[in-house]
Amino acid sequence: AQRVTQPEKLLSVFKGAPVELKCNYSYSGSPELFWYVQYSRQRLQLLLRHISRESIKGFTADLNKGETSFHLKKPFAQEEDSAMYYCALDTGRRALTFGSGTRLQVQP
Amino acid sequence: DTEVTQTPKHLVMGMTNKKSLKCEQHMGHRAMYWYKQKAKKPPELMFVYSYEKLSINESVPSRFSPECPNSSLLNLHLHALQPEDSALYLCASSRAGQGTDTQYFGPGTRLTVL
Repeated sequence: AQRVTQPEKLLSVFKGAPVELKCNYSYSGSPELFWYVQYSRQRLQLLLRHISRESIKGFTADLNKGETSFHLKKPFAQEEDSAMYYCALDTGRRALTFGSGTRLQVQP
Repeated sequence: DTEVTQTPKHLVMGMTNKKSLKCEQHMGHRAMYWYKQKAKKPPELMFVYSYEKLSINESVPSRFSPECPNSSLLNLHLHALQPEDSALYLCASSRAGQGTDTQYFGPGTRLTVL
């Protein structure tokens, strides 16, 4: 069965510092990987997906099939980036498997 | 309308009650989902409907009964729940084309079972 691992429950950085939220997955096939974000008092929403290869709000993520990773990166964190971030995987069944989430705190 | 709406926002029910959660979207999406999210945990998939037909049931107990009466509406009927079923229930929708499309989530219904 597929599995998504986010090793950090909490990541605290200062404004302007680089950010990397780690995500590793286990699945023998070719999954689709996503990052979803939940800001305080807002609904869960898509941040980006590996198939789009785009940068959203300055965040990027590259799928590394050799390391089975999909880490989320941003060179300069902003206070408004503080939120809960979930990495998620879909094996093609249209069923998302979420990691346990990482709370990002960006301090002024 | 580009949002998924869910009613009610909060629900408190006893173990012998019957209640229903409602989810609605008007984005023309043909796939709809129910997730359960316990406190400080990620969402867990319960059911997937594709073109109004149940396509995935993640071994959910029968006290949860989903229904998709039309392409815009998704219900979750609840009966004889247990206190451990207390959670945030999230609805989502997406296009149902080939491959995986972005899922759009509702705000959730917070359910408390007494």
